[in-house]
Amino acid sequence: AQSVTQLGSHVSVSEGALVLLRCNYSSSVPPYLFWYVQYPNQGLQLLLKYTTGATLVKGINGFEAEFKKSETSFHLTKPSAHMSDAAEYFCAVRPYNYGQNFVFGPGTRLSVLP
Amino acid sequence: NAGVMQNPRHLVRRRGQEARLRCSPMKGHSHVYWYRQLPEEGLKFMVYLQKENIIDESGMPKERFSAEFPKEGPSILRIQQVVRGDSAAYFCASSPPAGFNYGYTFGSGTRLTVV
Repeated sequence: AQSVTQLGSHVSVSEGALVLLRCNYSSSVPPYLFWYVQYPNQGLQLLLKYTTGATLVKGINGFEAEFKKSETSFHLTKPSAHMSDAAEYFCAVRPYNYGQNFVFGPGTRLSVLP
Repeated sequence: NAGVMQNPRHLVRRRGQEARLRCSPMKGHSHVYWYRQLPEEGLKFMVYLQKENIIDESGMPKERFSAEFPKEGPSILRIQQVVRGDSAAYFCASSPPAGFNYGYTFGSGTRLTVV
């Protein structure tokens, strides 16, 4: 069964500092990979996704993530944090098999300090 | 093109009552997924439906929970005889038929409180 781990349930960074949110998955076959962001009392919004091709993917709001097959990782980064980035971030995987559901990680809450 | 619409946004039920949560997928999306988010936890898959078919209900509790996606109208997640442990945010997502390599589009959720 697929599983997703996100190291650090809560990450705090200073405004302007680098944001690094970690995601590792367990799968014998690399799945499709996604990052979602959830602002308080809202639904989830897709930040970026990796399906095939270039392993460094860029998303909205200046975020990007790199798929590293050898490390089974898909860490999310942003060079300079903004106060508006404070939210919950979820990494998710979806197997190649069509119709399978997503498996979400437990989430990382990002706080941005002034 | 409206996104995924869920209603109500907030629902309060007394223990033992029934809760009905509605989800209208995005236009052109024929696949609907329901997820539950318990406080301080990530999203847990419940059920995956296509029109008039339940494709995968492996995440649904065996009792009191049911889901449908009729030919016409929204998808309904129904919880009978609610208990306090059912208090959670319930999110619906939809995708197009060939959406396996796309991310879902999520609704804003229904926050169920059982008192």
